[in-house]
Amino acid sequence: GNSVTQMEGPVTLSEEAFLTINCTYTATGYPSLFWYVQYPGEGLQLLLKATKADDKGSNKGFEATYRKETTSFHLEKGSVQVSDSAVYFCALSPGAGGFKTIFGAGTRLFVKA
Amino acid sequence: DTEVTQTPKHLVMGMTNKKSLKCEQHMGHRAMYWYKQKAKKPPELMFVYSYEKLSINESVPSRFSPECPNSSLLNLHLHALQPEDSALYLCASSSEGSSTDTQYFGPGTRLTVL
Repeated sequence: GNSVTQMEGPVTLSEEAFLTINCTYTATGYPSLFWYVQYPGEGLQLLLKATKADDKGSNKGFEATYRKETTSFHLEKGSVQVSDSAVYFCALSPGAGGFKTIFGAGTRLFVKA
Repeated sequence: DTEVTQTPKHLVMGMTNKKSLKCEQHMGHRAMYWYKQKAKKPPELMFVYSYEKLSINESVPSRFSPECPNSSLLNLHLHALQPEDSALYLCASSSEGSSTDTQYFGPGTRLTVL
C-alpha cells in the first residue's frame, strides 16, 4: 500500500540555521509528492510539490527533490526564520486516483530568535 | 482568487443538536473534500465529491452527512455527535482530483461537542 514516513518532531532551531526534515514514502506506480505547511490556527497550504522522479520543488527558500531510487522527498532550507515555525506535512498522491492524498504524521518546527 | 472559505470558524454544540458546516470556493475546482484533524495529527479524509457527486466516503459514521448543492459549495451536516467528534474540520478543493493537483485548504471549523 501507500504510506509516508517523516521524522518525529518537534525540531527546534535557532534563526538562520539549516533545516532538513526527512520524508520517505512507499507507493505503487508513480505518485506525486507534496510538502504542505500548517501555521498555528490555520488550514494547510501547499509549500512545494514534485510530480515525477528527479523533479525539484522549491518555494520561499524551501527545496525538496523527488528521489525515486531512495523513495525520499526531504525538505531543506538554508536559513530558517522565526516565521517558519509551523507544522510541515509530507504527502503523496497516488498515480492512479488522485483523490486520496496520504499525509505523513507531521513535523513541528520551532525557530528561536 | 485561490481562497477556500469555511463558516463558522468555531462551533460548540450539544450531542442532541443539528448543525451544518459550510465551505465555498470560486476557483472552478471540480473536486471538493472534507477532512477531520485532531490535535497534533495529520488530516484524515472523510468525503470526496467529484463533479458534485460523492466519490469517496471513508466509512464515516452516518451522523456526518455531506452535501454538494453546486460546484462551488460543500456542506457537512452534523447530528447527534459524540464528544470524540470534537476536532478541526477542514474543507479543501482541487482542480479535478488528478494525482498532480494541489489541494487548496480552508482555515477550518473548530468543532467542540459537549
